[in-house]
Amino acid sequence: GENVEQHPSTLSVQEGDSAVIKCTYSDSASNYFPWYKQELGKGPQLIIDIRSNVGEKKDQRIAVTLNKTAKHFSLHITETQPEDSAVYFCAASLSGTYKYIFGTGTRLKVLA
Amino acid sequence: SQTIHQWPATLVQPVGSPLSLECTVEGTSNPNLYWYRQAAGRGLQLLFYSVGIGQISSEVPQNLSASRPQDRQFILSSKKLLLSDSGFYLCAWSGTVLYEQYFGPGTRLTVT
Repeated sequence: GENVEQHPSTLSVQEGDSAVIKCTYSDSASNYFPWYKQELGKGPQLIIDIRSNVGEKKDQRIAVTLNKTAKHFSLHITETQPEDSAVYFCAASLSGTYKYIFGTGTRLKVLA
Repeated sequence: SQTIHQWPATLVQPVGSPLSLECTVEGTSNPNLYWYRQAAGRGLQLLFYSVGIGQISSEVPQNLSASRPQDRQFILSSKKLLLSDSGFYLCAWSGTVLYEQYFGPGTRLTVT
């Protein structure tokens, strides 16, 4: 079946540094790629997304890039802050359905 | 604006007891609705999704069931809980044109 691989599983950075999380998808017809932030004990929050007709999207300190040829997409967080500490999930739409395939998550720790 | 509610927030139930979790969405009509389960420290597993009243698709064979008695109400049920049913249950909704899924706050279920 289709899958999404996400790396790394854990990531520690110093406050102010950048963080990058990478995902690879298998469904070549996927056309929507959201990123979620999940804080402890809460539901995932959609923080940014990108569609297949765009190569990059930025929202303040957060950016997402998409390489359709390589089937890679990445989340970039600049000037990290302690409140960025959370688990981040990537996902890819499953073609022909309303469903997503989720990555396994990355636990980001921002050290003050 | 749209909001999604889940209750209860936490639940402790003995093995063999029934279960009913409720999810409601406000501020939108005819949403797609989803039930996910998240085991401790793990990713998101899609259990059921619904594209309309009475239309339920099951993703994983198990002793859980779902129903959609009203347009914006989604219920997750079980007749007899198993220890393995413990987890964090998340409801989500999406529109029928765009793919964005928005999650509720979740229900923490512990089966003892």
